[in-house]
Amino acid sequence: GESVGLHLPTLSVQEGDNSIINCAYSNSASDYFIWYKQESGKGPQFIIDIRSNMDKRQGQRVTVLLNKTVKHLSLQIAATQPGDSAVYFCAEKSGGADGLTFGKGTHLIIQP
Amino acid sequence: DAGITQSPRYKITETGRQVTLMCHQTWSHSYMFWYRQDLGHGLRLIYYSAAADITDKGEVPDGYVVSRSKTENFPLTLESATRSQTSVYFCASSPSTGGYTEAFFGQGTRLTVV
Repeated sequence: GESVGLHLPTLSVQEGDNSIINCAYSNSASDYFIWYKQESGKGPQFIIDIRSNMDKRQGQRVTVLLNKTVKHLSLQIAATQPGDSAVYFCAEKSGGADGLTFGKGTHLIIQP
Repeated sequence: DAGITQSPRYKITETGRQVTLMCHQTWSHSYMFWYRQDLGHGLRLIYYSAAADITDKGEVPDGYVVSRSKTENFPLTLESATRSQTSVYFCASSPSTGGYTEAFFGQGTRLTVV
């Protein structure tokens, strides 16, 4: 089965609201996590990453939270904009592994 | 433009045909990867390469062949295409995987096997 997965396949939010996209992982050896954004017809684009020695990391309008106790990862997008509409994937790897393991993705829809 | 480019962007081929998808990166990244993306499965790793002349299987390697004679190129060949190989294929590169670095993806190749 999938090592990494997402709770909701589709998330609809109002423009200007904050979005929270969740991800669960099962491999306790995973120590590096990445969020990717994929727009229609394009390849995944890096948003933000976090290592397992951190609980939180912030970027521009985005925050990633990591809860190792329950093996949960979330991506928060502040003041969601129409350009945020995309599919968001979490990905993980353990230090000795090659390649990333991806979740199935969450489609973020922005309502005007 | 510098970066990672895939060709062709779209390809239709017949069952049983051999088809090669091309990937080229200009960053001199050590690692390169091939993923396939299917509805309901996210992205799954087919093959990866740690350096020129070093390749290894990923999660779903059956039916695919790769080579890496030069650092910048990592072609993926479907030896005898099947309908189950209809998918969107993404090539990616990374400076390393032993460290904590993200992978950079190309635009993808949409392959349809009829």
